[in-house]
Amino acid sequence: QQQVKQSPQSLIVQKGGISIINCAYENTAFDYFPWYQQFPGKGPALLIAIRPDVSEKKEGRFTISFNKSAKQFSLHIMDSQPGDSATYFCAARHYNQGGKLIFGQGTELSVKP
Amino acid sequence: GAGVSQTPSNKVTEKGKYVELRCDPISGHTALYWYRQSLGQGPEFLIYFQGTGAADDSGLPNDRFFAVRPEGSVSTLKIQRTERGDSAVYLCASSLIPSSYNEQFFGPGTRLTVL
Repeated sequence: QQQVKQSPQSLIVQKGGISIINCAYENTAFDYFPWYQQFPGKGPALLIAIRPDVSEKKEGRFTISFNKSAKQFSLHIMDSQPGDSATYFCAARHYNQGGKLIFGQGTELSVKP
Repeated sequence: GAGVSQTPSNKVTEKGKYVELRCDPISGHTALYWYRQSLGQGPEFLIYFQGTGAADDSGLPNDRFFAVRPEGSVSTLKIQRTERGDSAVYLCASSLIPSSYNEQFFGPGTRLTVL
């Protein structure tokens, strides 16, 4: 019930293409869903986040799509660039457990020039 | 301003030894979190502090792990009798307050290797 399942494990996209990463959860008590970006040797950094009362959130080239009934959410990176090559993690927060985040397993994205 | 800092950046120790990992959060952040990240995995929650007290330590794997935050800012994660399975990157994060949608800012981590 506390798991967040992420796919794919790795993804290769051509420059200018769309990168799509998917996550699924079981616990309906989750109320906050952030995406983090991590470069090698660095800590994760918040990219974009969504609450379950909206179905989509867009910030620049990054969009989260959220399907509450299916308990799924996804990250879309439009016009992918080589600088986007990193590992991406989805996460979820339980409404009653402070700021504790449950992370997915990660997706290693490689954008080819 | 400065971000979250962690020291040391790397720590190599022998099985059975004691280690301390330090985290300096962003000034003014009341919430502090420790996560552990194994190779190829997402961060795994260990413990979080609201001020000086541990509000949730449900992620600590066993009683060899302990963390303190005596003055409500710097925190130390302590691992006794280290085992090879403790090898991982230990991440610290801080946020303004824990029970809202405030962003958690992560440090670069301490890579612990137990030989």
